[in-house]
Amino acid sequence: SQKIEQNSEALNIQEGKTATLTCNYTNYSPAYLQWYRQDPGRGPVFLLLIRENEKEKRKERLKVTFDTTLKQSLFHITASQPADSATYLCALLYNNNDMRFGAGTRLTVKP
Amino acid sequence: EAQVTQNPRYLITVTGKKLTVTCSQNMNHEYMSWYRQDPGLGLRQIYYSMNVEVTDKGDVPEGYKVSRKEKRNFPLILESPSPNQTSLYFCASRSDVLGNQPQHFGDGTRLSIL
Repeated sequence: SQKIEQNSEALNIQEGKTATLTCNYTNYSPAYLQWYRQDPGRGPVFLLLIRENEKEKRKERLKVTFDTTLKQSLFHITASQPADSATYLCALLYNNNDMRFGAGTRLTVKP
Repeated sequence: EAQVTQNPRYLITVTGKKLTVTCSQNMNHEYMSWYRQDPGLGLRQIYYSMNVEVTDKGDVPEGYKVSRKEKRNFPLILESPSPNQTSLYFCASRSDVLGNQPQHFGDGTRLSIL
């Protein structure tokens, strides 16, 4: 069965540094890979989507890469700020409607 | 404002007492789904619907029912709740059924089954 692993439960970094979060998966590659942000007590909010034939996607301070050979996606937040502190989820969409989420990485950016 | 609305936000109830969690979206989305979120397990899909009267099982459908009689509403029904259904539940919708659009999530319903 499909397995999705996000590198760690928690990541602490200093303000201004780049945060890098990892999402690894097993077996076959998804058609789409998405990243979401979740704040305590709230539902996930969509950030970026990358397709299997795309290597990289950017949006402001966010960058996502997708390596189907390594079966890995990296999510980068550059010039991180305390307001970026949240849990980040990766989500993989298979076969059009089989969507699987990772357990998330809780990012804390310290001033 | 585009949104997915779930009710109730919190519920404490007892084993065996039927309950319904409502979900409504105002974006005219085709696709809607329900997830549960448990510590260390992430979001797991319970049921999804690609259109009115079209529903299908996700990863963890046991003990749940859904219906899609109208496009905007997708209620989750627990006919006989048990303590292992204590969890945080999210409803989501998206505009396409193929999956290349983002999902919009509600703010969650925290259920405690005693």
